[in-house]
Amino acid sequence: GAVVSQHPSRVICKSGTSVKIECRSLDFQATTMFWYRQFPKKSLMLMATSNEGSKATYEQGVEKDKFLINHASLTLSTLTVTSAHPEDSSFYICSARRQSSYNEQFFGPGTRLTVL
Amino acid sequence: AQTVTQSQPEMSVQEAETVTLSCTYDTSESDYYLFWYKQPPSRQMILVIRQEAYKQQNATENRFSVNFQKAAKSFSLKISDSQLGDAAMYFCAYRRDMYSGGGADGLTFGKGTHLIIQP
Repeated sequence: GAVVSQHPSRVICKSGTSVKIECRSLDFQATTMFWYRQFPKKSLMLMATSNEGSKATYEQGVEKDKFLINHASLTLSTLTVTSAHPEDSSFYICSARRQSSYNEQFFGPGTRLTVL
Repeated sequence: AQTVTQSQPEMSVQEAETVTLSCTYDTSESDYYLFWYKQPPSRQMILVIRQEAYKQQNATENRFSVNFQKAAKSFSLKISDSQLGDAAMYFCAYRRDMYSGGGADGLTFGKGTHLIIQP
């Protein structure tokens, strides 16, 4: 149990286009999902917290108009990178919180975005 | 804001030996969770061990154990009988207790330690 998927696993796009990344909790409902960004050989940085049915909460320094987050259902959150530029190239990882005594977060396998 | 510091960018250990990875953190909160995650080359984050701050007893999971020193804000990971499959990046992470007050409970990660296992 507690499987989180991400789609696509890899995406290459041209500069100026938009890319959507999906994060799904496959066997549990997640009222809250999180989006992280990981640069090569670096740590994970929390970008935003996605709450089902409400607006996402963005961390300081993250442009909400550039990284659009939608959490339309209890099993799906999407991250859209708008007008992507080469500096947006990175590894994006989502996690979903399963409600329990630990409220543990389960991670997706990540999406590698390359912007040409 | 919380910070997590891992001062060892890379560690190397002989197979079957014991290695300890260091982590310190800074927070003004009294209730929180600490984690060690493993990230192999596949990039999938794998939970290794979890520690609740209110528990004095150190967590253990088979060959993995922690030394949690709350006053010193230290949370080290000990891996006993190291195996080749333990080779990975290890991240120490902090998470606030979502029930102890307002605010989100996303994870704050350290910079990671690259663990190499020598056969």
